[in-house]
Amino acid sequence: AQKVTQAQTEISVVEKEDVTLDCVYETRDTTYYLFWYKQPPSGELVFLIRRNSFDEQNEISGRYSWNFQKSTSSFNFTITASQVVDSAVYFCALRPDGSSNTGKLIFGQGTTLQVKP
Amino acid sequence: GAVVSQHPSRVICKSGTSVKIECRSLDFQATTMFWYRQFPKQSLMLMATSNEGSKATYEQGVEKDKFLINHASLTLSTLTVTSAHPEDSSFYICSARVLAGDQETQYFGPGTRLLVL
Repeated sequence: AQKVTQAQTEISVVEKEDVTLDCVYETRDTTYYLFWYKQPPSGELVFLIRRNSFDEQNEISGRYSWNFQKSTSSFNFTITASQVVDSAVYFCALRPDGSSNTGKLIFGQGTTLQVKP
Repeated sequence: GAVVSQHPSRVICKSGTSVKIECRSLDFQATTMFWYRQFPKQSLMLMATSNEGSKATYEQGVEKDKFLINHASLTLSTLTVTSAHPEDSSFYICSARVLAGDQETQYFGPGTRLLVL
């Protein structure tokens, strides 16, 4: 089965707190891509990161960091020193290799992050 | 990142009319585009894969005669909701697949909010 689980439906933090959004995926493919997207209230999905299954290096981009662990099939996203502008719905997505001819993404249910001032 | 536009951003129509939504890749060519539907507080549901110069591939349960997709050029895909009914009211989002070597990403348009009265 191909599946993405974002167990946290809603998270609320106070500004400047660190917050981690969890993502667990299922696939039998050995090659796949993982993505994170941000959907602010305006609705547009903003691409944040792509990770190839062969690349387990963690990545940091400013206040954002991602922890990819194949052993636990997780691709968690941490926001350090959160800000009100980080308030949005965050989606984790999987592109299994089996859909390489089409590129279809499998989305998690999304985590709504609310950062309070 | 690549820019994808959608038009219109918001549309209100009467029941029984047809509505066309355009999805354009502004600074790149996209042989593959995707159409999603999103209900409030839910994840994205893939409706169909739009391939330039060929018929769209619809997901199970999506009526191809109701949701007409045309991908006539490398920068434009259109979704026409025919004989719209109130239950078709939703947020429709398109994305374009970008391939760069072995790296693949989907960039999303800003979405179209459809309200059928």
